[in-house]
Amino acid sequence: DIQMTQSPASLSVSLGETVTIECRASEDIKNGLVWYQQKPGKSPQLLIYATNRLHSGVPSRFSGSGSGTQFSLKINSLQSEDVASYFCQQCDDYPYTFGAGTKLELK
Amino acid sequence: EVKLLESGGGLVQPGGSMRLSCAASGFTFTDFYMYWIRQPAGKAPEWLGFIRNKANGYTTEYNLSVKGRFTISREKTQNMLYLQMNTLRAEDTATYYCARPLTTTGWFAYWGQGTLVTVSS
Repeated sequence: DIQMTQSPASLSVSLGETVTIECRASEDIKNGLVWYQQKPGKSPQLLIYATNRLHSGVPSRFSGSGSGTQFSLKINSLQSEDVASYFCQQCDDYPYTFGAGTKLELK
Repeated sequence: EVKLLESGGGLVQPGGSMRLSCAASGFTFTDFYMYWIRQPAGKAPEWLGFIRNKANGYTTEYNLSVKGRFTISREKTQNMLYLQMNTLRAEDTATYYCARPLTTTGWFAYWGQGTLVTVSS
């Protein structure tokens, strides 16, 4: 199975700052990287697919980049509604696997 | 509007069985692969498996972690997806989601609200 290593596990953030979350795959997944946002008690919501394509309705302050084994999610000018957990997922090969998640908390 | 609604979760004893259902609406059900994913409290989601669409013969694939114990099926005429879970263990305790990809297959654009399965004596 492809292992997804996500960092950091948690991040203390301030509103308006820029946040970057990293995700590393144990092997080359081309551009098969997806990002989800999850708020407490809710199901995950698709943010970005194919590394850098914004899902419909997702604000442009979210962006994704990377290729091969190294990927990142960037949130510009963090808003209060962005405080959540974020998961990366590879969809290059079955079984699809997820990173352990990054939890954003307000300072 | 795409809607997915899981049901059937609850408390089950170790070694027991449970069947989860997912009612789908708002799209042509037979066109899409459908997936089951679970998430233990406070942990990452885990992909369990999927059932292909009509064009690909409704065949199934499973994560090795559940292969042989879990079975995915779908009722085409009623737009229902199922997950039959047998020989349940404490580590199967999680919220179970059905999900639909954005296109025929791939990443999960649509998720249900989830149903909690607790395996405990």
